[in-house]
Amino acid sequence: EVQLVESGGGLVQPGGSLKLSCAASGFTFSGSAMHWVRQASGKGLEWVGRIRSKANSYATAYAASVKGRFTISRDDSKNTAYLQMNSLKTEDTAVYYCTRLSVDTGGFDYWGQGTLVTVSS
Amino acid sequence: QSVLTQPPSASGTPGQRVTISCSGSSSNIGSNYVYWYQQLPGTAPKLLIYRNNQRPSGVPDRFSGSKSGTSASLAISGLRSEDEADYYCAAWDVGVVFGGGTKLTVL
Repeated sequence: EVQLVESGGGLVQPGGSLKLSCAASGFTFSGSAMHWVRQASGKGLEWVGRIRSKANSYATAYAASVKGRFTISRDDSKNTAYLQMNSLKTEDTAVYYCTRLSVDTGGFDYWGQGTLVTVSS
Repeated sequence: QSVLTQPPSASGTPGQRVTISCSGSSSNIGSNYVYWYQQLPGTAPKLLIYRNNQRPSGVPDRFSGSKSGTSASLAISGLRSEDEADYYCAAWDVGVVFGGGTKLTVL
């Protein structure tokens, strides 16, 4: 059974940092591109960024709204992806989902349950 | 302000057919595939339609997708109460862009 489990969310002050983890199981993690998508309360989905596989040089890309503040990384030995968030703003408050990009469909076929990040003083 | 434009709401009665539109531009829908996601209340999104009109295994054939130019649409026929959810279109652009979501109410 495929599972993606996010952790690391919580309350942080503006300007602070937080690191989210996404533990994967049930599929070949090392061969998969992993993405992060967030959703503010009552709002729509927003793509945050992605990291490709080792075969694709672990290439990363980010949404303009987080570029320069967020960093995505991965540890294939631990089947885990990470989202390092620095210089957090109140508008970063959201549920953060990690999701796998399917090679077969080109869409996000597996999603975690999400972890809530609240940026507030 | 989402890059892709969807109506905020849609509704229908059980058994009806409803459609949800999604409008983009040449840099996203116009040159890439469209994807649709269903998000039931309190849950993570689920892939509903991929590559414009393909259904993942397990998705009922009541759901169908289409694309023309820079617009796409999701159709749901034989509407059921369990279809009440938020629906999002998505496409590749500079990264992935989503629509603002359409809340479907089954009356």
